[in-house]
Amino acid sequence: KAGVTQTPRYLIKTRGQQVTLSCSPISGHRSVSWYQQTPGQGLQFLFEYFSETQRNKGNFPGRFSGRQFSNSRSEMNVSTLELGDSALYLCASSSKMGGDNEKLFFGSGTQLSVL
Amino acid sequence: GENVEQHPSTLSVQEGDSAVIKCTYSDSASNYFPWYKQELGKGPQLIIDIRSNVGEKKDQRIAVTLNKTAKHFSLHITETQPEDSAVYFCAASNHLSSGSARQLTFGSGTQLTVLP
Repeated sequence: KAGVTQTPRYLIKTRGQQVTLSCSPISGHRSVSWYQQTPGQGLQFLFEYFSETQRNKGNFPGRFSGRQFSNSRSEMNVSTLELGDSALYLCASSSKMGGDNEKLFFGSGTQLSVL
Repeated sequence: GENVEQHPSTLSVQEGDSAVIKCTYSDSASNYFPWYKQELGKGPQLIIDIRSNVGEKKDQRIAVTLNKTAKHFSLHITETQPEDSAVYFCAASNHLSSGSARQLTFGSGTQLTVLP
């Protein structure tokens, strides 16, 4: 079974631009969560989607947004990029089925650098 | 909200020795505590988890203990090997509405180095 797939693996953008990151969850998983990882702030929750609906949102500005498609694939968008948005963006999926629905499985992430 | 503290930030052990990483949490409503291992260039990998109705869980060389009263939990790795070298994160969560995934609050991580 393929794991969580994130594309692209690396991105370089300049301040003020916007960026879209993509995530394909494990087959059969309907929930997708996004986390930001930085050396200073560690791993922080961005938002979570289930059945195309945002179920939960962390404390990030409105420049960070996301969506989920009917096939459970998800995208996150960051508009008006700032230097502080440089980070590893991680996507995690989980299954609704049985007792394992609480386990989050992470992808390898997208490393975003804002210059 | 939840706050998770993790210690130590770095840990070096000799191959074959044991390693212990400790975490404390603030929200008494938290009921799920996973541990993740992150290798360079990869995403966090779930290695073991424990729910609040269990005090200890073991999986081969890895064990996790939970003390709900003191609000702390620990990861124990026995007979460490060089391939155990990585960053380890603890996390806590209390959110689980119907059909929704948990929101994890992570500790700051422990860089474990196993010396051959």
